[in-house]
Amino acid sequence: DGGITQSPKYLFRKEGQNVTLSCEQNLNHDAMYWYRQDPGQGLRLIYYSQIVNDFQKGDIAEGYSVSREKKESFPLTVTSAQKNPTAFYLCASSPPLAGGGNEQFFGPGTRLTVL
Amino acid sequence: GQNIDQPTEMTATEGAIVQINCTYQTSGFNGLFWYQQHAGEAPTFLSYNVLDGLEEKGRFSSFLSRSKGYSYLLLKELQMKDSASYLCAVREYDYKLSFGAGTTVTVRA
Repeated sequence: DGGITQSPKYLFRKEGQNVTLSCEQNLNHDAMYWYRQDPGQGLRLIYYSQIVNDFQKGDIAEGYSVSREKKESFPLTVTSAQKNPTAFYLCASSPPLAGGGNEQFFGPGTRLTVL
Repeated sequence: GQNIDQPTEMTATEGAIVQINCTYQTSGFNGLFWYQQHAGEAPTFLSYNVLDGLEEKGRFSSFLSRSKGYSYLLLKELQMKDSASYLCAVREYDYKLSFGAGTTVTVRA
């Protein structure tokens, strides 16, 4: 089955600790994204990557870091510099724009709680 | 940046029709998407409009007017399982999407 996996579904961390959220896709998509969702708010873009070994900051990149060493993987690290890290984190991927609608496909999400 | 507005909540009766409006102000436009999101789950793609007009997909239809910066999602023959949040998202001339805050639709029996 093709799709996007994120693990774990729920994650608890102590304040001051860095934590890495995983995102893997086997859809052969070039582009991958990380969003954060808070109650009553839309999805906000943290980082995105259009191709391996390249990524760009989104609207709220401060306190986060990413890497894109493989096409299938786009891990997100929430650092201790992120002031309010408790949120629902969603990873997505999409085919190239030339593919038509180019909708983004989302993983199941990771709910991070910082205690 | 982008400004995308949609109502916060809507309530409708099973079997009825509901229309969710979305207005946007962007410096560029390369498509508008609607997603459905059930509580605690990932968004799932519903529809895509890039040209003016109506796109129909079963019980769901989406309309776009680029000159007015306006779209709507029409849900017909509402079912209880349609209770969810509906997200409007606009793409500019790159891969990025900007999302509205979402409209929570509650379907009552």
